[in-house]
Amino acid sequence: QKEVEQNSGPLSVPEGAIASLNCTYSDRGSQSFFWYRQYSGKSPELIMFIYSNGDKEDGRFTAQLNKASQYVSLLIRDSQPSDSATYLCAVYGGATNKLIFGTGTLLAVQP
Amino acid sequence: NAGVTQTPKFRILKIGQSMTLQCTQDMNHNYMYWYRQDPGMGLKLIYYSVGAGITDKGEVPNGYNVSRSTTEDFPLRLELAAPSQTSVYFCASRFDSIGTGELFFGEGSRLTVL
Repeated sequence: QKEVEQNSGPLSVPEGAIASLNCTYSDRGSQSFFWYRQYSGKSPELIMFIYSNGDKEDGRFTAQLNKASQYVSLLIRDSQPSDSATYLCAVYGGATNKLIFGTGTLLAVQP
Repeated sequence: NAGVTQTPKFRILKIGQSMTLQCTQDMNHNYMYWYRQDPGMGLKLIYYSVGAGITDKGEVPNGYNVSRSTTEDFPLRLELAAPSQTSVYFCASRFDSIGTGELFFGEGSRLTVL
């Protein structure tokens, strides 16, 4: 079982819709959860982080964490073509100081 | 501040050659990481360091070596390059062990082994 799993996509949504990106992780001791956005040919950039169960909102982005189900998600409201990118889920903690990334989900927002 | 600086940005190697990817950060971060990213894939952790003199293996350490003699520098050494090491390499740093978790990434080094 992979440590961090994401659907590779592509996930295609129309402009203005809600995009929902999902991630599961295997280490129950994981403490911190992150979403990074990566445009083609660029390095990743942090969008959101979440530590506690529940929702965390920042502008058009909402991160959701359910530690019992080992599940973290990212919702993007009012999706824009500029949101088209690969979204990487990353999980930190457990027994090590490693930050482990999933394979990423490619999001395509159609104008 | 320059942030995280990686050199070179592009390199072509022949099979069996060796090289070092350089990484320097000027943010006084304790934690530094090397990742590789294959086309259409996520980031795989190669090695990481929690401070000067301390390094540890990540998910895919075979064929690589690192050192951390100073807080600022974290070079990645490729010995006996193989086509499987063709990838984009990212160096990243962060200040503390948990915190916001924000990794500061370099721009990447694209390596091709022929």
